[in-house]
Amino acid sequence: DMKVTQMPRYLIKRMGENVLLECGQDMSHETMYWYRQDPGLGLQLIYISYDVDSNSEGDIPKGYRVSRKKREHFSLILDSAKTNQTSVYFCASSLRGEVFFGKGTRLTVV
Amino acid sequence: AQSVTQPDARVTVSEGASLQLRCKYSYFGTPYLFWYVQYPRQGLQLLLKYYPGDPVVQGVNGFEAEFSKSNSSFHLRKASVHWSDWAVYFCAVPAGSFNKLTFGAGTRLAVCP
Repeated sequence: DMKVTQMPRYLIKRMGENVLLECGQDMSHETMYWYRQDPGLGLQLIYISYDVDSNSEGDIPKGYRVSRKKREHFSLILDSAKTNQTSVYFCASSLRGEVFFGKGTRLTVV
Repeated sequence: AQSVTQPDARVTVSEGASLQLRCKYSYFGTPYLFWYVQYPRQGLQLLLKYYPGDPVVQGVNGFEAEFSKSNSSFHLRKASVHWSDWAVYFCAVPAGSFNKLTFGAGTRLAVCP
């Protein structure tokens, strides 16, 4: 069963704390993504990764960085989280144009 | 720039009624187009995809969509809506590369008994 797994599903952090969101996929897809979803804005692309250590900024990379040391794992890091980074974060992977999404991590920064 | 617009933020239909969710695209050339569905507390799932060819494409669960170059549209349809179709529907188009999709803001579908 093809799957993208995100951990944790829910997270509450204080402003200024560091945040690590983790994502794994079992399909050996080369391309992976991090999106955030906010009401009325749809999905916004934060970073795209084309393979191990081959990452590119998406449309809203400011305040985020990523790490991909293994093809099956893609991490999103928030250094010193801000309240405007409260959102639902989705990891995804793709093959031939079809994108597979995880169930999301709901991050609240207080 | 490549983009999609979903003009209806929310649509309400009665169970058993027909459905059309609208999507307008902006794209240089003939695009690939996608519809995704997001059920409550889930990630997005592919509903159907259009690659240049037959303008009507079939998806899962009785959904279909029709591509129109003259109208720059890719509307989603279903003949008879079921309560389990209650979800948010997103239209998407590749932006710059096939691996990078731009999503519309989504249309929230509510189904009344």
